[in-house]
Amino acid sequence: KAGVTQTPRYLIKTRGQQVTLSCSPISGHRSVSWYQQTPGQGLQFLFEYFSETQRNKGNFPGRFSGRQFSNSRSEMNVSTLELGDSALYLCASSGGGAGTDTQYFGPGTRLTVL
Amino acid sequence: AQSVTQPDIHITVSEGASLELRCNYSYGATPYLFWYVQSPGQGLQLLLKYFSGDTLVQGIKGFEAEFKRSQSSFNLRKPSVHWSDAAEYFCAASSNDYKLSFGAGTTVTVRA
Repeated sequence: KAGVTQTPRYLIKTRGQQVTLSCSPISGHRSVSWYQQTPGQGLQFLFEYFSETQRNKGNFPGRFSGRQFSNSRSEMNVSTLELGDSALYLCASSGGGAGTDTQYFGPGTRLTVL
Repeated sequence: AQSVTQPDIHITVSEGASLELRCNYSYGATPYLFWYVQSPGQGLQLLLKYFSGDTLVQGIKGFEAEFKRSQSSFNLRKPSVHWSDAAEYFCAASSNDYKLSFGAGTTVTVRA
């Protein structure tokens, strides 16, 4: 079974631009979560989607948004990029039935904001 | 507030020696507990998980973890470390809220 895939793997943007990251979950998984990883803040939860509905959201500004499609694929968008948005963005998928389902992670998208 | 703490930022161990990584959690009720490993530039790989039952959990790559309710701990161990075990290790917890809370991570260096 193929794992979680994320595209693109690397991205360079400038301040003020916006960016969209994509995540395809493991086949059959209906939940997709997003995390931001930085050296200073570690791994922080952004949001989680199940059946196109956001079930939980972390403490990030409104510039960070996401959505999920009917095939469970998910995208996250960051508008008006700031230097501090430079990070590794990780997507994880799970079966989604329970809030404690095991999450399986993709390789991440490395975003650099100049 | 719910939190996961990994007290050791960096551990250096000799190849062939044993390894123990510490993890403590602070939750109202016992959460579901996980250990993940991350190699440089990679995503997170699940090593093992604890939901309930036997407090000693076996995982992949020869790792095991022991859950101790009285100490709110979930420490990861490996009897004999290989050079390929050099990586960053994350303890995480979940309490039925569709998200993982992670510790800060422990970087393991293996010396020959």
